[in-house]
Amino acid sequence: DTAVSQTPKYLVTQMGNDKSIKCEQNLGHDTMYWYKQDSKKFLKIMFSYNNKELIINETVPNRFSPKSPDKAHLNLHINSLELGDSAVYFCASSQGGLAEVSDTQYFGPGTRLTVL
Amino acid sequence: EDQVTQSPEALRLQEGESSSLNCSYTVSGLRGLFWYRQDPGKGPEFLFTLYSAGEEKEKERLKATLTKKESFLHITAPKPEDSATYLCAVQALYNFNKFYFGSGTKLNVKP
Repeated sequence: DTAVSQTPKYLVTQMGNDKSIKCEQNLGHDTMYWYKQDSKKFLKIMFSYNNKELIINETVPNRFSPKSPDKAHLNLHINSLELGDSAVYFCASSQGGLAEVSDTQYFGPGTRLTVL
Repeated sequence: EDQVTQSPEALRLQEGESSSLNCSYTVSGLRGLFWYRQDPGKGPEFLFTLYSAGEEKEKERLKATLTKKESFLHITAPKPEDSATYLCAVQALYNFNKFYFGSGTKLNVKP
């Protein structure tokens, strides 16, 4: 059983297009995240949701809009794609909750986005 | 500023040659330090969580240790299948429990 799944695995598109990446977790976790991993393998957090509520919103262009229809899903929509958006995007989930001592994140397989 | 630095960037070992990877961090309050393994084309896979200085965790050929300012991932008698990128992350006690990742150490173990 896949714990955190993302679709699509690969996404190749033209500059200026709008695209979405979907993420689902079946771990029963309360918190979900989107990360961007650049060519140097550096993982940078973009957004975090806890029980469908936005908790962390880093300095990401507002062309990126996350949506959480329920706590098991967190989708990422990107408008007007630019060359610099090319990267691997990872979804993750954790048990979450500010009182939790342990907050291990479990990652999806990633979506490689290439903007031409 | 909260940040995580890993060294070396890349490490080549012969099979059986033990070594250590370093993760140093500056964070206002540490909730936990995490080690992950990432294989090419895959998402990071959880290895260990450490919470306080002096703590150690072991799994097969890997042992993670934590001090107040850094963590080490010791690899004893590595095998080629240990080749991967090892990522360190810290979770901040403040700032919405945010995670900060290092850029990883790419380990290559030659048979």
